[in-house]
Amino acid sequence: EAGVAQSPRYKIIEKRQSVAFWCNPISGHATLYWYQQILGQGPKLLIQFQNNGVVDDSQLPKDRFSAERLKGVDSTLKIQPAKLEDSAVYLCASSLDTLRLARETQYFGPGTRLLVL
Amino acid sequence: GIQVEQSPPDLILQEGANSTLRCNFSDSVNNLQWFHQNPWGQLINLFYIPSGTKQNGRLSATTVATERYSLLYISSSQTTDSGVYFCAVGGLGSGAGSYQLTFGKGTKLSVIP
Repeated sequence: EAGVAQSPRYKIIEKRQSVAFWCNPISGHATLYWYQQILGQGPKLLIQFQNNGVVDDSQLPKDRFSAERLKGVDSTLKIQPAKLEDSAVYLCASSLDTLRLARETQYFGPGTRLLVL
Repeated sequence: GIQVEQSPPDLILQEGANSTLRCNFSDSVNNLQWFHQNPWGQLINLFYIPSGTKQNGRLSATTVATERYSLLYISSSQTTDSGVYFCAVGGLGSGAGSYQLTFGKGTKLSVIP
């Protein structure tokens, strides 16, 4: 079974530029998550999708971050314009179905390392 | 929200030594997972353990939900065990139907030959 795929693996941009990340979850996983992991910290949830709908985006900085999962499969996360503090690893994860609550394991992709100069 | 504290923050071991990592959490949970993040950044599930004890090779984990802590044991450590170990606990998020994992800050383990 293929794991969660992400691209690109690395990205270097200048502040005020825009950037987009792509994620393809494990086949059949209804729930998709985007996390931001700043150096030395644990991952922090940005947004959670159930199929193609947003379940929770309360921690997404909506003035500059946006995400979509139009067909309920792969997803893109965009930052526009980027700030220096956006330098981090952006992780995508998927699970079978968040509505099963306690019985879910999340599977993570390799992440995209973003450096904003 | 749920608070997750991990200790120690850093740990250096000689190869072959044993170690115990601790995770304290602030509220009752029905989902607790341990992850290993390797030096290349990949997060790997180790255990799903909301309560009880599980073992997988040289690793084992115990969660005492009533006392709000979990322990990860690493025996006969190897250099490939190096990386960051995260505890993540599950709880309801802000959105309807939202169920989220909250991660601790991790324990950085370095195993030296």
